[in-house]
Amino acid sequence: GQNIDQPTEMTATEGAIVQINCTYQTSGFNGLFWYQQHAGEAPTFLSYNVLDGLEEKGRFSSFLSRSKGYSYLLLKELQMKDSASYLCAVMDSNYQLIWGAGTKLIIKP
Amino acid sequence: GAVVSQHPSWVICKSGTSVKIECRSLDFQATTMFWYRQFPKQSLMLMATSNEGSKATYEQGVEKDKFLINHASLTLSTLTVTSAHPEDSSFYICSARAGDSLMGETQYFGPGTRLLVL
Repeated sequence: GQNIDQPTEMTATEGAIVQINCTYQTSGFNGLFWYQQHAGEAPTFLSYNVLDGLEEKGRFSSFLSRSKGYSYLLLKELQMKDSASYLCAVMDSNYQLIWGAGTKLIIKP
Repeated sequence: GAVVSQHPSWVICKSGTSVKIECRSLDFQATTMFWYRQFPKQSLMLMATSNEGSKATYEQGVEKDKFLINHASLTLSTLTVTSAHPEDSSFYICSARAGDSLMGETQYFGPGTRLLVL
């Protein structure tokens, strides 16, 4: 079967760094996406990785290792507004998105 | 770029009525649009995938006669919840994918529609 695993909840301190991990087992691979979803709102696109390595976008970076079926989202200089759920999703060989359950990130002052 | 709108953002209706939700890609052409449902504190659940000009593909357990999807153009898809009941109350979110060389396979989400059926 297809499976995406990510932690249910994480807590971090304002100004710190947090890494949210995602492991996956899917039928084929056409890229991995990270989305941010604030409570009561729709998801917003953060990043897309299809090749191994690190992609950096401002305070957010995303890393992919296809051989390990592993990705992480790194958030630096955390701000209170970063409190949200972070969704990992993998596109399989049929170009279908397989969604993780999301990681709720709680930022404390 | 990559803006997706949904209308209405909120709808309250009586049990038994039908509700239509529109999803539009404002600045790109979407070859594929997706409809999701999300109950409070739960994960996104894909309901159906629609390609312009063809019938939608529904996920297992989603009644196609109850949730009518029309993808009439490359910028518009509609979801009609027919004979809505209180258990259909949820957050309905659409997403759109261009699937071209410029925008790739990324799904861009609309802001969602909250449906409350009394």
